[in-house]
Amino acid sequence: DAGVIQSPRHEVTEMGQEVTLRCKPISGHDYLFWYRQTMMRGLELLIYFNNNVPIDDSGMPEDRFSAKMPNASFSTLKIQPSEPRDSAVYFCASSLSAGGVDNEQFFGPGTRLTVL
Amino acid sequence: QKEVEQNSGPLSVPEGAIASLNCTYSDRGSQSFFWYRQYSGKSPELIMSIYSNGDKEDGRFTAQLNKASQYVSLLIRDSQPSDSATYLCAAYNDYKLSFGAGTTVTVRA
Repeated sequence: DAGVIQSPRHEVTEMGQEVTLRCKPISGHDYLFWYRQTMMRGLELLIYFNNNVPIDDSGMPEDRFSAKMPNASFSTLKIQPSEPRDSAVYFCASSLSAGGVDNEQFFGPGTRLTVL
Repeated sequence: QKEVEQNSGPLSVPEGAIASLNCTYSDRGSQSFFWYRQYSGKSPELIMSIYSNGDKEDGRFTAQLNKASQYVSLLIRDSQPSDSATYLCAAYNDYKLSFGAGTTVTVRA
Protein backbone atom coordinates (compact mmCIF):
# COMPACT_ATOMS: atom_id res chain seq x y z
CA ASP A 1 0.00 0.00 0.00
CA ALA A 2 1.24 3.50 -0.79
CA GLY A 3 0.43 4.90 2.63
CA VAL A 4 -1.15 8.28 3.28
CA ILE A 5 -0.31 10.73 0.52
CA GLN A 6 -0.19 14.49 1.05
CA SER A 7 0.43 17.34 -1.33
CA PRO A 8 2.11 19.68 -1.63
CA ARG A 9 5.04 18.75 0.59
CA HIS A 10 6.07 22.38 0.94
CA GLU A 11 4.03 25.53 0.46
CA VAL A 12 5.23 29.09 0.75
CA THR A 13 2.62 31.80 0.40
CA GLU A 14 1.98 35.38 1.32
CA MET A 15 -0.34 36.56 4.02
CA GLY A 16 -3.90 36.85 2.79
CA GLN A 17 -3.62 34.15 0.15
CA GLU A 18 -5.74 31.02 0.07
CA VAL A 19 -3.97 27.76 0.81
CA THR A 20 -5.30 24.29 0.01
CA LEU A 21 -3.69 21.17 1.42
CA ARG A 22 -4.60 17.74 0.05
CA CYS A 23 -4.68 14.25 1.45
CA LYS A 24 -5.33 10.76 0.14
CA PRO A 25 -5.87 8.25 2.97
CA ILE A 26 -4.95 4.60 2.90
CA SER A 27 -7.53 2.68 0.89
CA GLY A 28 -10.15 1.09 3.11
CA HIS A 29 -9.54 3.34 6.09
CA ASP A 30 -12.74 4.83 7.44
CA TYR A 31 -11.21 7.56 9.57
CA LEU A 32 -9.23 10.57 8.44
CA PHE A 33 -7.56 13.09 10.72
CA TRP A 34 -5.95 16.48 10.13
CA TYR A 35 -3.25 17.60 12.58
CA ARG A 36 -1.08 20.67 12.91
CA GLN A 37 2.37 20.58 14.50
CA THR A 38 4.31 23.56 15.80
CA MET A 39 7.19 23.90 18.22
CA MET A 40 5.05 25.88 20.63
CA ARG A 41 1.88 23.76 20.65
CA GLY A 42 3.09 20.35 19.55
CA LEU A 43 0.80 18.05 17.57
CA GLU A 44 -2.83 19.17 17.66
CA LEU A 45 -5.89 17.52 16.17
CA LEU A 46 -7.81 19.94 13.96
CA ILE A 47 -10.67 17.82 12.63
CA TYR A 48 -11.53 14.23 11.86
CA PHE A 49 -13.88 12.45 9.49
CA ASN A 50 -15.64 9.11 9.65
CA ASN A 51 -16.86 7.71 6.34
CA ASN A 52 -16.37 11.15 4.73
CA VAL A 53 -18.49 12.92 7.37
CA PRO A 54 -16.87 15.51 9.65
CA ILE A 55 -17.34 14.33 13.22
CA ASP A 56 -15.37 16.72 15.39
CA ASP A 57 -13.97 20.04 14.24
CA SER A 58 -13.46 21.49 17.70
CA GLY A 59 -9.75 21.78 17.04
CA MET A 60 -10.12 24.04 14.01
CA PRO A 61 -8.61 27.31 15.21
CA GLU A 62 -11.03 29.70 13.55
CA ASP A 63 -13.38 30.25 10.65
CA ARG A 64 -10.49 30.80 8.28
CA PHE A 65 -9.95 27.05 8.37
CA SER A 66 -12.23 24.61 6.58
CA ALA A 67 -11.97 20.93 5.65
CA LYS A 68 -13.86 18.71 3.28
CA MET A 69 -13.90 15.07 2.32
CA PRO A 70 -15.90 14.70 -0.88
CA ASN A 71 -15.14 11.00 -1.20
CA ALA A 72 -13.34 8.17 0.59
CA SER A 73 -10.05 8.81 -1.15
CA PHE A 74 -9.62 12.57 -0.92
CA SER A 75 -9.71 15.33 1.65
CA THR A 76 -8.71 19.00 1.64
CA LEU A 77 -7.82 21.47 4.35
CA LYS A 78 -8.23 25.08 3.27
CA ILE A 79 -7.01 28.25 4.93
CA GLN A 80 -8.48 31.50 3.67
CA PRO A 81 -7.07 34.04 4.25
CA SER A 82 -3.76 32.72 5.50
CA GLU A 83 -1.75 34.44 8.24
CA PRO A 84 1.89 34.10 9.36
CA ARG A 85 0.77 32.34 12.56
CA ASP A 86 -0.62 29.53 10.41
CA SER A 87 2.93 28.51 9.54
CA ALA A 88 3.31 24.91 10.69
CA VAL A 89 3.55 21.33 9.47
CA TYR A 90 0.13 19.92 8.66
CA PHE A 91 -0.27 16.16 8.85
CA CYS A 92 -3.04 13.97 7.57
CA ALA A 93 -3.54 10.55 9.16
CA SER A 94 -5.94 7.69 8.60
CA SER A 95 -7.05 4.65 10.53
CA LEU A 96 -9.04 1.54 9.79
CA SER A 97 -11.47 2.02 12.63
CA ALA A 98 -11.83 3.85 15.91
CA GLY A 99 -11.84 0.99 18.33
CA GLY A 100 -9.70 -1.85 19.46
CA VAL A 101 -6.46 -2.77 17.82
CA ASP A 102 -7.46 -1.25 14.48
CA ASN A 103 -7.37 2.32 15.70
CA GLU A 104 -3.70 2.77 14.84
CA GLN A 105 -3.29 6.01 12.96
CA PHE A 106 -0.92 6.15 10.01
CA PHE A 107 0.52 9.54 9.22
CA GLY A 108 1.29 11.08 5.88
CA PRO A 109 4.60 12.88 5.21
CA GLY A 110 3.11 16.27 6.06
CA THR A 111 2.92 19.64 4.35
CA ARG A 112 5.26 22.32 5.62
CA LEU A 113 3.41 25.62 5.28
CA THR A 114 5.17 28.96 5.49
CA VAL A 115 3.08 32.12 5.37
CA LEU A 116 5.15 35.25 4.82
CA GLN B 1 -2.76 21.56 31.79
CA LYS B 2 -2.23 19.40 28.75
CA GLU B 3 -4.05 16.09 28.67
CA VAL B 4 -0.79 14.24 28.14
CA GLU B 5 2.45 15.27 29.83
CA GLN B 6 5.87 13.85 29.05
CA ASN B 7 9.11 14.12 30.95
CA SER B 8 11.05 17.07 29.71
CA GLY B 9 14.08 16.40 27.62
CA PRO B 10 16.31 16.26 25.93
CA LEU B 11 17.48 12.88 27.08
CA SER B 12 21.03 11.85 26.23
CA VAL B 13 22.10 8.24 26.70
CA PRO B 14 25.24 6.34 25.67
CA GLU B 15 24.99 3.66 23.04
CA GLY B 16 23.95 0.36 24.55
CA ALA B 17 22.25 1.92 27.57
CA ILE B 18 18.56 1.96 28.49
CA ALA B 19 16.51 5.06 27.65
CA SER B 20 13.51 5.57 29.90
CA LEU B 21 10.63 7.78 28.79
CA ASN B 22 7.67 8.70 30.97
CA CYS B 23 4.20 9.99 30.28
CA THR B 24 1.17 10.85 32.41
CA TYR B 25 -2.36 11.53 31.28
CA SER B 26 -5.25 13.34 32.88
CA ASP B 27 -8.31 11.75 31.28
CA ARG B 28 -9.23 8.57 33.12
CA GLY B 29 -11.47 7.64 30.21
CA SER B 30 -8.46 7.09 27.97
CA GLN B 31 -8.64 3.57 26.66
CA SER B 32 -5.37 2.91 24.94
CA PHE B 33 -1.96 4.43 24.59
CA PHE B 34 0.60 4.78 21.87
CA TRP B 35 4.23 5.67 21.47
CA TYR B 36 5.23 7.35 18.22
CA ARG B 37 8.76 8.01 17.06
CA GLN B 38 9.42 11.12 14.98
CA TYR B 39 12.70 11.75 13.26
CA SER B 40 13.56 15.37 12.51
CA GLY B 41 11.60 16.57 9.50
CA LYS B 42 9.59 13.36 9.25
CA SER B 43 6.12 12.23 10.23
CA PRO B 44 5.27 10.34 13.44
CA GLU B 45 5.66 6.57 13.17
CA LEU B 46 3.94 4.17 15.55
CA ILE B 47 6.34 1.96 17.48
CA MET B 48 4.23 0.64 20.37
CA SER B 49 0.62 0.42 21.48
CA ILE B 50 -0.64 -0.74 24.85
CA TYR B 51 -4.18 -1.34 26.03
CA SER B 52 -3.94 -3.24 29.33
CA ASN B 53 -2.14 -2.67 32.58
CA GLY B 54 1.30 -4.21 32.72
CA ASP B 55 4.18 -4.56 30.33
CA LYS B 56 4.30 -5.12 26.62
CA GLU B 57 7.55 -5.98 24.91
CA ASP B 58 8.44 -5.70 21.24
CA GLY B 59 12.08 -6.26 20.42
CA ARG B 60 14.16 -3.66 22.23
CA PHE B 61 11.07 -1.68 23.25
CA THR B 62 8.97 -2.22 26.37
CA ALA B 63 5.85 -0.21 27.11
CA GLN B 64 4.38 -0.12 30.60
CA LEU B 65 0.89 1.01 31.57
CA ASN B 66 -0.54 1.72 35.00
CA LYS B 67 -4.08 3.02 34.67
CA ALA B 68 -4.50 3.57 38.40
CA SER B 69 -1.56 5.96 38.38
CA GLN B 70 -2.43 7.26 34.89
CA TYR B 71 1.12 6.54 33.86
CA VAL B 72 2.70 5.17 30.70
CA SER B 73 6.36 4.56 30.05
CA LEU B 74 8.62 3.38 27.27
CA LEU B 75 11.97 1.67 27.76
CA ILE B 76 14.44 1.39 24.94
CA ARG B 77 17.04 -1.26 25.67
CA ASP B 78 20.45 -1.43 24.03
CA SER B 79 19.96 2.06 22.61
CA GLN B 80 21.37 2.64 19.15
CA PRO B 81 22.25 5.89 17.36
CA SER B 82 19.29 5.18 15.07
CA ASP B 83 17.01 5.57 18.10
CA SER B 84 17.87 9.27 18.24
CA ALA B 85 14.51 10.93 17.65
CA THR B 86 11.59 12.60 19.39
CA TYR B 87 9.19 10.19 21.08
CA LEU B 88 5.56 11.18 21.34
CA CYS B 89 3.18 9.66 23.86
CA ALA B 90 -0.50 9.62 22.87
CA ALA B 91 -3.68 8.75 24.75
CA TYR B 92 -6.75 7.55 22.88
CA ASN B 93 -10.27 8.45 23.96
CA ASP B 94 -13.51 9.24 22.20
CA TYR B 95 -12.07 8.45 18.77
CA LYS B 96 -9.25 10.95 19.20
CA LEU B 97 -5.57 10.91 20.06
CA SER B 98 -4.11 13.49 22.43
CA PHE B 99 -0.37 13.86 22.09
CA GLY B 100 2.25 14.92 24.56
CA ALA B 101 4.89 17.49 23.63
CA GLY B 102 7.45 14.76 23.04
CA THR B 103 10.82 13.84 24.52
CA THR B 104 13.90 14.15 22.34
CA VAL B 105 16.36 11.31 22.77
CA THR B 106 19.97 11.47 21.64
CA VAL B 107 22.03 8.29 21.69
CA ARG B 108 25.74 9.09 21.77
CA ALA B 109 28.12 6.64 20.16
